Amino acid sequence: AQRVTQPEKLLSVFKGAPVELKCNYSYSGSPELFWYVQYSRQRLQLLLRHISRESIKGFTADLNKGETSFHLKKPFAQEEDSAMYYCALLFSGGYNKLIFGAGTRLAVHP
Amino acid sequence: EPEVTQTPSHQVTQMGQEVILRCVPISNHLYFYWYRQILGQKVEFLVSFYNNEISEKSEIFDDQFSVERPDGSNFTLKIRSTKLEDSAMYFCASRATSGALYNEQFFGPGTRLTVL
Repeated sequence: AQRVTQPEKLLSVFKGAPVELKCNYSYSGSPELFWYVQYSRQRLQLLLRHISRESIKGFTADLNKGETSFHLKKPFAQEEDSAMYYCALLFSGGYNKLIFGAGTRLAVHP
Repeated sequence: EPEVTQTPSHQVTQMGQEVILRCVPISNHLYFYWYRQILGQKVEFLVSFYNNEISEKSEIFDDQFSVERPDGSNFTLKIRSTKLEDSAMYFCASRATSGALYNEQFFGPGTRLTVL
């Protein structure tokens, strides 16, 4: 069955420290993965999608099919990065519903 | 930049009452979704809607739930007889049918439903 796992509920770092938010998935098809971010009291916003291989706000994520992972990384965290981060898998077997992980709260301290 | 909007932002209702949550998707989008997030839990898919009919629904989406696109702009989620466990944040999302952003779902700000 398709599943997304984000093992950390909270990741707390100091400004300037590297950040890695973990995401593992289970999916029998060809996965398409996303990272969504939710800043305080704001809507879910797309941060990254693996197929575009881009860097947004200094964040990158690489799909590792061997490890079934899509970890989100940033070399130097900023206070404005504090938010909830959700990894999501596109289940293309139907009409492209998203399957979300439980989310990780990133807290960046000054 | 166009956005998905949702009303109301917060709805409080008594158990057993009917509620209608409203969404205005992005104007040229044709796929619509509802998700919900119970406090402290993950965002869960409820239903997808395309071409004026439900295309997929989850096991959460039982007979108490219905969706409708009553006109060219609104997309509604109705809960016929609310239960305490329906208390959650409900998110509407929409996506385009083609183009570079084809698979990107754009989310509304959510409606917080509180059932007393």
